[in-house]
Amino acid sequence: SAVISQKPSRDICQRGTSLTIQCQVDSQVTMMFWYRQQPGQSLTLIATANQGSEATYESGFVIDKFPISRPNLTFSTLTVSNMSPEDSSIYLCSVDRPTNTEAFFGQGTRLTVV
Amino acid sequence: DAKTTQPTSMDCAEGRAANLPCNHSTISGNEYVYWYRQIHSQGPQYIIHGLKNNETNEMASLIITEDRKSSTLILPHATLRDTAVYYCIVRAHNTDKLIFGTGTRLQVFP
Repeated sequence: SAVISQKPSRDICQRGTSLTIQCQVDSQVTMMFWYRQQPGQSLTLIATANQGSEATYESGFVIDKFPISRPNLTFSTLTVSNMSPEDSSIYLCSVDRPTNTEAFFGQGTRLTVV
Repeated sequence: DAKTTQPTSMDCAEGRAANLPCNHSTISGNEYVYWYRQIHSQGPQYIIHGLKNNETNEMASLIITEDRKSSTLILPHATLRDTAVYYCIVRAHNTDKLIFGTGTRLQVFP
């Protein structure tokens, strides 16, 4: 299995500000993904964090709003920029390795924008 | 878009088997069926996956129909701690992205 540490676990932010969420894995992984879960909803994939290159974003998500970094095989960050109350969600990091058949998820970051 | 359809919610008595259905009629030959669950306020947890044979592990059993167009997740003896949202996902490769549908909210009652 993979141990994933996400920070912060929760935050309350003012609208118009930005928050950077960190995802640290205890071992090297091939794939890292970022998801959003709006209140009462399922998980929606934001992007795939690619090591050494720009992230691959899903339809409806753009780099200016959700910039992502992945400097190495164990770490990634997601920034939620210029936040509005509609960005209030749980943001989750997920990782995959070729040696595992399942993906692992962090416990998420609960963001409230006021 | 998610390639699966599941009932919105189900109830199950504690100690009884919970049978959660999933339809994936457009599944491709190289796609696996994965099941995850999400207990309130936690990250999703892997349960089981299969290609075409039935699978069993310490958590559950997965029954896949011969035509692979549907499957059933079986929790043999449901407990209150199994109350969660259960997601059925099809996925071609073990590093492909997971696309979540709406899932089934399972409520286990005493």
